[in-house]
Amino acid sequence: EPEVTQTPSHQVTQMGQEVILRCVPISNHLYFYWYRQILGQKVEFLVSFYNNEISEKSEIFDDQFSVERPDGSNFTLKIRSTKLEDSAMYFCASSAVGGRNQPQHFGDGTRLSIL
Amino acid sequence: GESVGLHLPTLSVQEGDNSIINCAYSNSASDYFIWYKQESGKGPQFIIDIRSNMDKRQGQRVTVLLNKTVKHLSLQIAATQPGDSAVYFCAENVNAGGTSYGKLTFGQGTILTVHP
Repeated sequence: EPEVTQTPSHQVTQMGQEVILRCVPISNHLYFYWYRQILGQKVEFLVSFYNNEISEKSEIFDDQFSVERPDGSNFTLKIRSTKLEDSAMYFCASSAVGGRNQPQHFGDGTRLSIL
Repeated sequence: GESVGLHLPTLSVQEGDNSIINCAYSNSASDYFIWYKQESGKGPQFIIDIRSNMDKRQGQRVTVLLNKTVKHLSLQIAATQPGDSAVYFCAENVNAGGTSYGKLTFGQGTILTVHP
């Protein structure tokens, strides 16, 4: 069964450094998402991406965050200058044609630890 | 600052019992709902979905019930197995018209523990 893959599984970074989290969505999916889950808290929406542009973003997704689809298979989340409070699990998800009202399939996440 | 974690509801059942996990949602404009299962160290795994024009949907060993009047969603798992032990989340998608592209809002989750 096709799946969303994320790398690395764990990223440790010094505060103030840039970090790039990588995702390979399911190959025939066209809608892509990033969510995060701070330890012990809910999964929170960050951003959705379709047709090479951001469709929607949350208030968490400030100017320090950016997303990119650099080629036909990868989808990345960049945090330009990390803060301690960015420590969380970051999940990538994708869904098929139709976007809304289609199940989003999640990767196993990248655990980001900011020191 | 210190993070405040959620105290998740818990449900403990014996293997073979049926489990019912409940979820209340707040936005009457939500028109699509998904149940996810999350095992330790893994991402949310799709279980079943339901659209607001339905009140019941069945899958393999799982049934989702939607009561729009009271904004309540439930997940029923038949013949629960130890492998069903996980955190279960409901998620809703609000119909915000053309500006909405599938943003999911997750509930707090319920910890299901199945005892052999």
